[in-house]
Amino acid sequence: AQTVTQSQPEMSVQEAETVTLSCTYDTSESDYYLFWYKQPPSRQMILVIRQEAYKQQNATENRFSVNFQKAAKSFSLKISDSQLGDAAMYFCAYRSKGGATNKLIFGTGTLLAVQP
Amino acid sequence: ETGVTQSPTHLIKTRGQQVTLRCSSQSGHNTVSWYQQALGQGPQFIFQYYREEENGRGNFPPRFSGLQFPNYSSELNVNALELDDSALYLCASSRTSGLVQFFGPGTRLTVL
Repeated sequence: AQTVTQSQPEMSVQEAETVTLSCTYDTSESDYYLFWYKQPPSRQMILVIRQEAYKQQNATENRFSVNFQKAAKSFSLKISDSQLGDAAMYFCAYRSKGGATNKLIFGTGTLLAVQP
Repeated sequence: ETGVTQSPTHLIKTRGQQVTLRCSSQSGHNTVSWYQQALGQGPQFIFQYYREEENGRGNFPPRFSGLQFPNYSSELNVNALELDDSALYLCASSRTSGLVQFFGPGTRLTVL
C-alpha cells in the first residue's frame, strides 16, 4: 500500500521569503501522480501544483515549484515570495495512475504561518 | 461554472443516529469521491461514485454508504453514528478519469 509522510507539522516564514515544505512517499508503482493541496481556514481544498512521475522536469506554477526526486521518493514544495494569503494547511497527496478510482492518499499536512 | 457545493455546513448528531450529507458536483463532472478528515489529519478516502455506481471504496465499514443521482450529485449516508465519526466530510468531483479533483467546502459533523 502507498503511504505519504509529511514530517513538518508546522512551518513559519516571513512575508516575501522562501519556504520549502517536505513530503516523502512510499510506493512500488513506477507511474503515478503527486499533488500539493492547500486548505485555508475556509476548509476548501485547493490544488496548488501537480507532478506526473514519468516527467523528469519539476512542475512550476507561478510562485510555487516542486523538487521531485523519484529515486528518493521525495516531493517537496517551494513557495517563493511568500504572501499572507499563503497561510494555510498544505497537504501532499499521491494518486495511482492505474486503477478504477481517482483515490488520493494524503499526508498529515503542514500548517504554514506567514509572518508580516 | 458552478463549483462543488456541500450541505449542510455543520451538523450535530448523537451516537446511534443516522446522517445524510449532500454534494453537488461541478458542472460537467460525472465522478464524485467522498473523504473523511479527522481533526489534525489528512483526508481519508471513503468511496467513489461513477455513473451512479460505487466503483471504489476505502477502509470504511458498510454503515458508510452513498448514492449518486442522474445529475451526478451525491449523498453520503452514515448509520449508527459513533463518536469517532466526528470529522470534516469532503466531497470532490472530477471528469471521467480526470486528473484533477475539485473539492467542496466540506460538512463538519459532530457526534455527541
